[in-house]
Amino acid sequence: RKEVEQDPGPFNVPEGATVAFNCTYSNSASQSFFWYRQDCRKEPKLLMSVYSSGNEDGRFTAQLNRASQYISLLIRDSKLSDSATYLCVVNLDNAGNMLTFGGGTRLMVKP
Amino acid sequence: SQTIHQWPATLVQPVGSPLSLECTVEGTSNPNLYWYRQAAGRGLQLLFYSVGIGQISSEVPQNLSASRPQDRQFILSSKKLLLSDSGFYLCAWSGIGGNIQYFGAGTRLSVL
Repeated sequence: RKEVEQDPGPFNVPEGATVAFNCTYSNSASQSFFWYRQDCRKEPKLLMSVYSSGNEDGRFTAQLNRASQYISLLIRDSKLSDSATYLCVVNLDNAGNMLTFGGGTRLMVKP
Repeated sequence: SQTIHQWPATLVQPVGSPLSLECTVEGTSNPNLYWYRQAAGRGLQLLFYSVGIGQISSEVPQNLSASRPQDRQFILSSKKLLLSDSGFYLCAWSGIGGNIQYFGAGTRLSVL
């Protein structure tokens, strides 16, 4: 089983749609969770951290379910500019220095 | 503010040639530094990380090596490149005890 697993997609959605991605992780002791965004041929950039209580940033909402060991990302009112690959990222070591990246979920928002 | 620089942006090298990629961080001290590789259409693979000068941990055995000669400088090297070394090489940094990693713009390496 992969340490961090994501559906690779692609998710093809029309503008204005709501889309959700899930990600599962294997280490129940993991403490930190993030979503990164990676545009084609570019470096990953932090989208948002995921807190136990969940968090929202504009059209983006992230949730953590420790019992089931998954995190989710919800994007409302999709824009063309949201087209990218979304990487689920989890720290798997106690020191917090090491992050493990999922393979990414590709989103394509169409006009 | 902190910035991270990687160069070159693209590189085409023949099989068997040496490699040296450099990464520098500005605006912070004693960062954790990381080298990742991303093959086409794949996820990020951690190659090396460093928590201080001269301290290098290798995650994947291969013909690559890393060095940290200065606090904010991280170098990825190879004596002889293989075709399988082609990929997108990313340098990243994080603060002491911090989890969030910030990436450089990456080097796209093609070994022919």
